[in-house]
Amino acid sequence: AQSVTQPDIHITVSEGASLELRCNYSYGATPYLFWYVQSPGQGLQLLLKYFSGDTLVQGIKGFEAEFKRSQSSFNLRKPSVHWSDAAEYFCAVGAWSFGNEKLTFGTGTRLTIIP
Amino acid sequence: EPEVTQTPSHQVTQMGQEVILRCVPISNHLYFYWYRQILGQKVEFLVSFYNNEISEKSEIFDDQFSVERPDGSNFTLKIRSTKLEDSAMYFCASSLGTLENEQFFGPGTRLTVL
Repeated sequence: AQSVTQPDIHITVSEGASLELRCNYSYGATPYLFWYVQSPGQGLQLLLKYFSGDTLVQGIKGFEAEFKRSQSSFNLRKPSVHWSDAAEYFCAVGAWSFGNEKLTFGTGTRLTIIP
Repeated sequence: EPEVTQTPSHQVTQMGQEVILRCVPISNHLYFYWYRQILGQKVEFLVSFYNNEISEKSEIFDDQFSVERPDGSNFTLKIRSTKLEDSAMYFCASSLGTLENEQFFGPGTRLTVL
């Protein structure tokens, strides 16, 4: 069965600093990988996804993520964070069966931005 | 921009009572999902629904749970006899299709079982 590990529960960075959120996955086949963001009181919003091809994927809000098969990782990065980036970030792996895509999520990383 | 909506935003119920959580998926979507997140834990898949039937369900989705698409717009999750451990945030999601199609999530319903 697939699984996702996000080793950092809470990260604090200064506004304007760079950011990297870690994600490791376990899945027997080629993974479909996602990063979602959840702001307080909001649903989960897709930041970016990887299915195949270029291992560096660009997403919304200036985020990018790099798929590294050898490390089973899909880390999320942003060169310069903004105060509005404060939120909970979830990494997920998609498993396809019976025509449906089931997402398995990590426990999330809460990002705090300090001025 | 189309979005998934969920009602109510917060539901408080007594143990043993039945609850129905409601979702309105994006209108042209064909696949529907329920996930839940117990406080402090990860978001967990409950069930997927397509063509008016359950496609897949997790081990969490036991006989106390059921889903229904009673009309062309709503998608509901029913818990027949709630337990304390059912307290969680429940998220509805919908997508156009499988694989490369994004799942759009609603804002969630917080269920509190007393």
